[in-house]
Amino acid sequence: QSVLTQPPSVSAAPGQKVTISCSGSSSNIGSNYVSWYQQLPGTAPKLLIHDNDKRPSGIPDRFSGSKSATSATLGITGLQTGDEADYYCGTWDTSLSVLLFGGGTKLTVL
Amino acid sequence: QVQLQESGPGLVKPSETLSLTCTVSGGSINSYYWGWIRQPPGKGLEWIGYVYYTGDTNYSPSLKSRVTISVDTSKNQFSLKLTSVTAADTAVYFCARRPNPPYFDFWGQGTLVTVSS
Repeated sequence: QSVLTQPPSVSAAPGQKVTISCSGSSSNIGSNYVSWYQQLPGTAPKLLIHDNDKRPSGIPDRFSGSKSATSATLGITGLQTGDEADYYCGTWDTSLSVLLFGGGTKLTVL
Repeated sequence: QVQLQESGPGLVKPSETLSLTCTVSGGSINSYYWGWIRQPPGKGLEWIGYVYYTGDTNYSPSLKSRVTISVDTSKNQFSLKLTSVTAADTAVYFCARRPNPPYFDFWGQGTLVTVSS
């Protein structure tokens, strides 16, 4: 059971929009920056979002991040079959002194 | 473009020490934190710890008693040692660069380490 809670799976049709939630607490998301990672099958995670809502160079603006209180959200618009992957949120937990990852969400593009 | 590459044995016997090295290319190891993350087969990501280029370290409390992460700036490398391994330590081990505030922007491809006799 992860401290950061993500839905196990989400799905949507090509071209549609999907959101993935990451729920935490005041000691982690509530007081620290959130990052998001995409992990395609058999590959290393890839940074999509850092500092809640900032996209690294090369990440398309179809990917967006937001944070409100103790929850964060990853949004993906214009879904493509190539977006099928596992998505993880991450943040520091001040009370536990640990860098946390969510349990991961499997995105299926139908 | 910074690149990271893990190296080390793919098979370790129970109770022995897992040792991995991460070689950084395309940039200096100085002025950044460098971390290790693992992923058991079919499961999620787990942070192990990180080291600053000065040698300062921070470890996951759950692994702290068994983990040592060190850095060799002359070789642009950092290393992971995990002692007294069991089957539960079987995982793909990733090395990654950690800017500040903490996230991981560049990752190695990962290396599978299996703990088995």
